[in-house]
Amino acid sequence: DIVMTQSPDSLTVSLGERATVNCKSSQSVLHSFNNQNCVAWYRQRPGQPPQLLIYWASTRDSGAPDRFSGSGSGTDFSLTISSLQAEDVAIYYCQQYCDAPFTFGPGTKLDIK
Amino acid sequence: QPQLQESGPGLLKPSETLSLTCTVSGGSVRSSSFFWGWIRQSPGKGLEWIGTIYYTGNTYNNPSLEGRVTMSVDTSRNQFSLMLSSVTAADTAVYYCARNLAYRGTYYVPFDSWGQGILVTVSS
Repeated sequence: DIVMTQSPDSLTVSLGERATVNCKSSQSVLHSFNNQNCVAWYRQRPGQPPQLLIYWASTRDSGAPDRFSGSGSGTDFSLTISSLQAEDVAIYYCQQYCDAPFTFGPGTKLDIK
Repeated sequence: QPQLQESGPGLLKPSETLSLTCTVSGGSVRSSSFFWGWIRQSPGKGLEWIGTIYYTGNTYNNPSLEGRVTMSVDTSRNQFSLMLSSVTAADTAVYYCARNLAYRGTYYVPFDSWGQGILVTVSS
């Protein structure tokens, strides 16, 4: 199985500031059909299900605010929130979907300073 | 976006079979454009993909669940279901149903819509 790790475990950022979460896969996650990186990012607010933010490592989902962006390739990926809002207090997860079983990272908890 | 809603018993005894149903509204489980999946979340193991089903009945399971998983789809009721046999305390989790938008006919895509989740507790 592909193991996804995340750093840091938790993060505290001031409102309006930038926040970055990192994710590393234990092996390359390239889709065989389009040679893109099969990494997704989700935001999970307290008491809510995960919400898809980013897929193909850098494509923003239609329901995600434009302050969210994804980057990376190979085995190293990042999620950046350009200007933290109060509603971004959540746990953020990365996921690989190139290889079954699909696996998720352990999550990064984001709080407001 | 569709609405997905999980239903089923919230409390089981060890060795029983977990049985959950996901009812989809605002979309059709019969559509060839989507796959339908189950994911669970526990404090100990985080988010874990359980399996995915297509409207044809084709299923794709996580081998870690060692053949305990059965999934089915009921197109007449616009529902799909999960059964997990021989449950133990380790199966205590919030269970989510979710949707995948098929990519070139495959389920190698992220989950773009999720149900609210249902807490299932296994305890004697």
